[in-house]
Amino acid sequence: QVQLKESGPGLVQPSRTLSLTCTVSGFSLTSYGVSWVRQPPGKGLEWIAAIWSGGSTDYNSALKSRLSISRDTSKSQVLLKMNSLQTEDTAMYFCARESAVAPFDYWGQGVMVTVSS
Amino acid sequence: AIQVTQSPTSLSASLGDRVTLTCRASQDINNKMAWYQQKPGEVPQLLIYYASTLQSGTPSRFSGSGAGTDFSFTISHLQSEDFATYYCLQGYSLYTFGAGTKLELK
Repeated sequence: QVQLKESGPGLVQPSRTLSLTCTVSGFSLTSYGVSWVRQPPGKGLEWIAAIWSGGSTDYNSALKSRLSISRDTSKSQVLLKMNSLQTEDTAMYFCARESAVAPFDYWGQGVMVTVSS
Repeated sequence: AIQVTQSPTSLSASLGDRVTLTCRASQDINNKMAWYQQKPGEVPQLLIYYASTLQSGTPSRFSGSGAGTDFSFTISHLQSEDFATYYCLQGYSLYTFGAGTKLELK
């Protein structure tokens, strides 16, 4: 069945770079896109970045200068890097699958990232 | 970037009620609107896409409508498991979520 699982450090120091991995199973990254979505504690959802089935990428314009999304199809992994972290980046980070018709039809359980010294 | 305004921010309702949420996009997004349900501590669940198409497994008491800039989401007969936060999402130009509507038991 379709599964996505996020992994990464739970705690990151301010100004450092965050690296997150989304490992997927049950589908191919060359057939489906994957996005990252985050949710600060007690707040709403924010789309961060996407990598499409063809390998092209898109970013939230407000965060674009700090982001990089890539994939390793041999490992079924999508990688997200965000630099210059601030406390406002503290959030649950989710990866989610996109099909040709329905956005974010499957989600990972999320990984909580806290930015603190 | 396309902005999405969701209303109301919160809503109190009783079991069996009919409730409607709305989302307005800052420009024409055709029918590229989706709706999600999120319960505390859980992952968002896709309920509706293309404004009115029910995702597999979504109960028929949920419905969506609209096109262009104005969209609505209705729960026809509230059940206890429906009390949650609901988000709309525009997918016409990249993605933008609405701020969410918290549906609470009156």
